[in-house]
Amino acid sequence: GESVGLHLPTLSVQEGDNSIINCAYSNSASDYFIWYKQESGKGPQFIIDIRSNMDKRQGQRVTVLLNKTVKHLSLQIAATQPGDSAVYFCAEPLPQGSGYALNFGKGTSLLVTP
Amino acid sequence: EPEVTQTPSHQVTQMGQEVILRCVPISNHLYFYWYRQILGQKVEFLVSFYNNEISEKSEIFDDQFSVERPDGSNFTLKIRSTKLEDSAMYFCASSASSADEQYFGPGTRLTVT
Repeated sequence: GESVGLHLPTLSVQEGDNSIINCAYSNSASDYFIWYKQESGKGPQFIIDIRSNMDKRQGQRVTVLLNKTVKHLSLQIAATQPGDSAVYFCAEPLPQGSGYALNFGKGTSLLVTP
Repeated sequence: EPEVTQTPSHQVTQMGQEVILRCVPISNHLYFYWYRQILGQKVEFLVSFYNNEISEKSEIFDDQFSVERPDGSNFTLKIRSTKLEDSAMYFCASSASSADEQYFGPGTRLTVT
């Protein structure tokens, strides 16, 4: 079955506001999570990752929060810009041998309005 | 900045035909992957490849699929006899190591008629 999944299929925010995209996972043994951004007509693009020994990780305008108790992670985008409009996926490695095959969630479409 | 490239960008083929999708991973990367994304659905893992052999494959990757690294730069996905349900975007990805970030190509849209 699917381990990662997203709460909301679409999110509309005004330019300049903060965005929060949520993701739930079911495998309590999962120890690594990644957020990808996919713009229309393009492949997924790595945004930020977090390991299970951390609760929070910050990047440029993005923060990922991991709550292992409820198996939930979120991606926060500060001061959302029109260029942030895309589909956002959380992903985790599949149980695997020697490669880090990724299991993607269904995606949340973020629409930034002026 | 180095990037993964894929050709063609769009391939239309008739059911039952063979197709080969091509990828040029980032030059110093050692791990290669194929994923697919059916329209409106999530990205699904197909296969990973390391040291000239398949290291992982999903249930989707059945006998109709094969991968090859024919030379030092290309990485191909072959579908022997395409079905309508193979219509999807196919993404190639590469990474420097198994634990490193995977870089995705722009994808090939495969349409099977």
